[in-house]
Amino acid sequence: AQSVAQPEDQVNVAEGNPLTVKCTYSVSGNPYLFWYVQYPNRGLQFLLKYITGDNLVKGSYGFEAEFNKSQTSFHLKKPSALVSDSALYFCAVRGGTDSNYQLIWGAGTKLIIKP
Amino acid sequence: NAGVTQTPKFQVLKTGQSMTLQCAQDMNHNSMYWYRQDPGMGLRLIYYSASEGTTDKGEVPNGYNVSRLNKREFSLRLESAAPSQTSVYFCASSANRGGSYNSPLHFGNGTRLTVT
Repeated sequence: AQSVAQPEDQVNVAEGNPLTVKCTYSVSGNPYLFWYVQYPNRGLQFLLKYITGDNLVKGSYGFEAEFNKSQTSFHLKKPSALVSDSALYFCAVRGGTDSNYQLIWGAGTKLIIKP
Repeated sequence: NAGVTQTPKFQVLKTGQSMTLQCAQDMNHNSMYWYRQDPGMGLRLIYYSASEGTTDKGEVPNGYNVSRLNKREFSLRLESAAPSQTSVYFCASSANRGGSYNSPLHFGNGTRLTVT
């Protein structure tokens, strides 16, 4: 079965420290991978995507993610966390077949950055 | 830029009542989607429209109907609301053609629906 896992419900990081939010996936074929962020009482906002090419992808607000095919992972990273990065983060992967692609979502990871 | 606009922002219904959630986008996007978000479950696709004039069922379509009124508007209707439909509903749009999902989704700010 195709799936996305975000193994941590919550991640706590001190301001200024590096942060990592983990995502692993299981899909057939080449994966298209996405990260989205959700601030309180708002819709999701696109951060970055991996389709093909360089395994390190840079996105909005200083975030980046590394595609690791052998480990089937796409972890979100930032070198220095800000309090304003506190939000809910979702990983998503395009799965399915040529005739019926679907976007499969992880359950989300709450990121808390403490001053 | 308005992006994706959803109305209403909040709604309380009694079991058995009906309502329509409205969604409009001003980005000339081909594809539009309706999702529901429940705690700990991520997003689940209810219905989507890959282009004007077409609609398809997603993962959880039961109890819902949709209408792609034109390229801008995609509405979601609950004919007979049930407590299990208490959720936050998000409309999204993208430049995706067909069901490719290559392009990012742009989301509205959601409708918080409570069914008592």
